Amino acid sequence: GQQLNQSPQSMFIQEGEDVSMNCTSSSIFNTWLWYKQDPGEGPVLLIALYKAGELTSNGRLTAQFGITRKDSFLNISASIPSDVGIYFCAGQGGYAGGTSYGKLTFGQGTILTVHP
Amino acid sequence: NAGVTQTPKFQVLKTGQSMTLQCAQDMNHNSMYWYRQDPGMGLRLIYYSASEGTTDKGEVPNGYNVSRLNKREFSLRLESAAPSQTSVYFCASSEGVLRNTGELFFGEGSRLTVL
Repeated sequence: GQQLNQSPQSMFIQEGEDVSMNCTSSSIFNTWLWYKQDPGEGPVLLIALYKAGELTSNGRLTAQFGITRKDSFLNISASIPSDVGIYFCAGQGGYAGGTSYGKLTFGQGTILTVHP
Repeated sequence: NAGVTQTPKFQVLKTGQSMTLQCAQDMNHNSMYWYRQDPGMGLRLIYYSASEGTTDKGEVPNGYNVSRLNKREFSLRLESAAPSQTSVYFCASSEGVLRNTGELFFGEGSRLTVL
């Protein structure tokens, strides 16, 4: 099946630093998404990308959908302690509004630790 | 506003025992999913239900069965639990085919340990 390689697996940073993580795939995806999982909770959607080359921001978060449709990255600027958690990339092969039923392929996750 | 509710939150089983994880959503979503989360493996799809009355296998369905009881509820059953099924299980829902944005709404998870 489709696989996503997400890196790095973990990051330990100081508060205020910027963070960058990325996801690559051997398959093409038509939608890329980034989710965050707080400790003891389920993942929550941060950013969704629907077009190759699209660059989208959500506050201190910026994500891009790679031109090849096989990769995506997420940047977090000026990290704060509440950024702690696991970040997952996810790819969807179907088009928005299509019939893929939201079946997502998830990356392995990046564990982010922020030291005050 | 409850969203997606899973029960139980924690469960310990012995090898060979059976159990059912319950999931309910109050967002009037059409599609529902069961994922398992294991360290270093991300989230893997076990089964999903695109709409009421339909269910399909995901990436790792062996050892599991599901029932879409109605539009709100989607249960996951382990008939004969094995230690390899020790994991955190997440139920999720989405609006479904007509508005397939890729956004899933997850429950808080059910941590299952099989001894």
